[in-house]
Amino acid sequence: SQQGEEDPQALSIQEGENATMNCSYKTSINNLQWYRQNSGRGLVHLILIRSNEREKHSGRLRVTLDTSKKSSSLLITASRAADTASYFCAPLYNQGGKLIFGQGTELSVKP
Amino acid sequence: DSGVTQTPKHLITATGQRVTLRCSPRSGDLSVYWYQQSLDQGLQFLIQYYNGEERAKGNILERFSAQQFPDLHSELNLSSLELGDSALYFCASSLVGVPNTGELFFGEGSRLTVL
Repeated sequence: SQQGEEDPQALSIQEGENATMNCSYKTSINNLQWYRQNSGRGLVHLILIRSNEREKHSGRLRVTLDTSKKSSSLLITASRAADTASYFCAPLYNQGGKLIFGQGTELSVKP
Repeated sequence: DSGVTQTPKHLITATGQRVTLRCSPRSGDLSVYWYQQSLDQGLQFLIQYYNGEERAKGNILERFSAQQFPDLHSELNLSSLELGDSALYFCASSLVGVPNTGELFFGEGSRLTVL
């Protein structure tokens, strides 16, 4: 399968805690993207990390990429109830070029 | 607001019928993507168009077809509908196409219910 595999499938934390989600993929990538989806809404792009980058920050988000392990992680620091959503990774493989989404991680942040 | 417009937002129809979903991409975006999201299958990539031409195909059934018009809007046609086709259908757009896909901008989806 060309999709990324997110782990865990579900995560429940308290407001103020950090949330870490992981993504594993299969072969060489051009870039890897993370998206967020609030229930029943369209996906929203969060961050894109290229294959030659190891870490990227955007506000309270930190994404890492380890191409040797074919994995990426998304860290949300100081989480808020409004961060409650599903988070998807989407690796863009060098071959094929389709952006395929995994099953996502469902994050619940309790106030 | 992503700038991607999908119509209709909701659609209820019967098995065996045919429906057309419409997508207007962000101004200036040349690529349009269609995805199907259901509880049991997750988010499935269906098809991608770039500047009017089909560029990539995913798990799109033969009963489904799509096209992108010269004004860059796209339509997804679903025919001989089955109960299992009930899902949220998303359109997304991006400026570029394969192989340099950048971020996708998603519409709010068309929720199809087949009774």
